[in-house]
Amino acid sequence: DAGVTQSPTHLIKTRGQQVTLRCSPKSGHDTVSWYQQALGQGPQFIFQYYEEEERQRGNFPDRFSGHQFPNYSSELNVNALLLGDSALYLCASSTPGKRERLYEQYFGPGTRLTVT
Amino acid sequence: AQSVSQHNHHVILSEAASLELGCNYSYGGTVNLFWYVQYPGQHLQLLLKYFSGDPLVKGIKGFEAEFIKSKFSFNLRKPSVQWSDTAEYFCAVTPNSGGYQKVTFGTGTKLQVIP
Repeated sequence: DAGVTQSPTHLIKTRGQQVTLRCSPKSGHDTVSWYQQALGQGPQFIFQYYEEEERQRGNFPDRFSGHQFPNYSSELNVNALLLGDSALYLCASSTPGKRERLYEQYFGPGTRLTVT
Repeated sequence: AQSVSQHNHHVILSEAASLELGCNYSYGGTVNLFWYVQYPGQHLQLLLKYFSGDPLVKGIKGFEAEFIKSKFSFNLRKPSVQWSDTAEYFCAVTPNSGGYQKVTFGTGTKLQVIP
């Protein structure tokens, strides 16, 4: 049973560039959430996708956008990269239904983004 | 908006010592609470969760947490730690209201268990 997978593992970009990160949810899951984890901090919620729509969004600027595909995989796009965007980006999947199952999130290994 | 405080950033214990990691949250309504753990080189994983009912919640690997509403706390405990418990532990909270609400994480506590 494949867990949550993310690609790439590491990425180095220059300020002003754009980046796309990818996530495949755990088998049987259809809800994907994205988090940003800066060094020494806990994960911060960026947004969540369900049924190919953004269902909830955290306090992140419009430079952060996403997409969910019919197979439930998801992309996180960040435009006009800033040095402060350097972080570990985590993807988590879950399945809707009872509230408890929705919040039983399975995390991927993350993508380490470095902006120079 | 909700927030979470984890006051212990780094804890060092000897094997067999008892563990208690503090977690306090700030939110005016009812909440759901979680503890996540990240072992070295592994993914973040759910350790235990509180939604309703018995405020003493038992999780995997002998961990438990107690929700004390009057103190806005959800401390994590384990009677006797092992070297394999070395990890980073995150407390998280979400409002218990209709629809999906974002999960807010604390800054984490690094636990180092010395053999």
